Amino acid sequence: EPEVTQTPSHQVTQMGQEVILRCVPISNHLYFYWYRQILGQKVEFLVSFYNNEISEKSEIFDDQFSVERPDGSNFTLKIRSTKLEDSAMYFCASSTQGGVTEAFFGQGTRLTVV
Amino acid sequence: GQQLNQSPQSMFIQEGEDVSMNCTSSSIFNTWLWYKQDPGEGPVLLIALYKAGELTSNGRLTAQFGITRKDSFLNISASIPSDVGIYFCAGRGASGTYKYIFGTGTRLKVLA
Repeated sequence: EPEVTQTPSHQVTQMGQEVILRCVPISNHLYFYWYRQILGQKVEFLVSFYNNEISEKSEIFDDQFSVERPDGSNFTLKIRSTKLEDSAMYFCASSTQGGVTEAFFGQGTRLTVV
Repeated sequence: GQQLNQSPQSMFIQEGEDVSMNCTSSSIFNTWLWYKQDPGEGPVLLIALYKAGELTSNGRLTAQFGITRKDSFLNISASIPSDVGIYFCAGRGASGTYKYIFGTGTRLKVLA
C-alpha cells in the first residue's frame, strides 16, 4: 500500500543550526502538507503546497521556515535557525486533491533542538 | 481562528465495551476525518466524512458527520486492547482552504 515516507526519523540539532526534514509523498498525490506536534499536544497545521507553491500557511510558519519540492518526488521542510521551541514531531502529509479528500500522514520526524 | 474541541479528553474502559467520543466546533466544517495515533507514530486515517448527516463505518468503527456541520462523532464497538491510542478528529472548513484543523484528541485506554 502506498505510503508517505519521512527521513530522518529522529534529528538532533544545536540551537541556531539549519535543519532539513525530508518527505516522499504518495506518488500520484498533488497536495502536500507539513504539520507539527509538540509533545503531548495536538497536531498543528504549518503549510500546504500545491503546483510548486505555498497555497496556505499558518502563523507558526514564519520566515524561519521554508518548503521546497526540489524534484518530482521529494518535499522538504527547512528551518533556518532552529530554536528550542521548534522541538516537536514534524509530520508530512499528502492528498490527491485539496481538502476535499483525505490526507495521509507519514511516520514523522522527531526534531530535538538542544 | 477555528478550533475543534474533543471530548472526553481521556477514557478508561473495559475490553468489550463500546466507546463514544465527539468533536465540536463553533464553525462549520465541510469535511471531517478521524485519525488514530499510537505513541511515536504518525496519525493513521480511520474514517473520512464528506456530507452532513453521513454515517460511515469501518469495521468496529462508526463515525457521523453532524447535521449542523459543526460536530462529528466516533463510536468504537466491542473495544479490544489494540484500540488503545489517541483519537483525533480533523476538519476542513469553508471552501478555499486546504488545511485540516486537528482536535485536541481523546486518549483511550482499554483494560483487559
